[in-house]
Amino acid sequence: TQLLEQSPQFLSIQEGENLTVYCNSSSVFSSLQWYRQEPGEGPVLLVTVVTGGEVKKLKRLTFQFGDARKDSSLHITAAQPGDTGLYLCAGSNDYKLSFGAGTTVTVRA
Amino acid sequence: EAGVTQFPSHSVIEKGQTVTLRCDPISGHDNLYWYRRVMGKEIKFLLHFVKESKQDESGMPNNRFLAERTGGTYSTLKVQPAELEDSGVYFCASSPLFLTQETQYFGPGTRLLVL
Repeated sequence: TQLLEQSPQFLSIQEGENLTVYCNSSSVFSSLQWYRQEPGEGPVLLVTVVTGGEVKKLKRLTFQFGDARKDSSLHITAAQPGDTGLYLCAGSNDYKLSFGAGTTVTVRA
Repeated sequence: EAGVTQFPSHSVIEKGQTVTLRCDPISGHDNLYWYRRVMGKEIKFLLHFVKESKQDESGMPNNRFLAERTGGTYSTLKVQPAELEDSGVYFCASSPLFLTQETQYFGPGTRLLVL
């Protein structure tokens, strides 16, 4: 049973456009992480959100944690080809991470 | 500082054979985790060590999988005998014992193909 659902599964946009990836769950998590994974590598942590309603910004990336700590979103402003990759959300309870299936983002130059 | 390392990066074996995967966590990290991603599915938790003790092995698929962390440093994950459905990418992650946030640092993974 998949606890975290990511949407969309695939996203292809032109350089300069904005994009949003969603991560939804019926479960409450103590924290939620967003990772980016490149081919042949392991997931690399982008951000951890802990508090319901929390918003964190990392340059052109904005992460939001839902008030009920069940859902999250990742928004990229003015996407660049270097943003291309697999974006994964993962909810955490008691150190165990539950991952979504991922969103493959392709930014065309 | 060196990150989490895993060996081998790739392994191709035949059904029924044995394979042992190794993970070296970041130095000083007492928490060590194993995860697996099989084709088309999400990354799933296998087990969690705190130092040399198994804290949670609820994700281990069956008794063909054996994880060890003797001495509380590196860990091995042995699959014996391997089956076709064991194919996938096996990730190791580590984190410090006491966390302000639940951050896990992942290795590059071992890609296992069972033929």
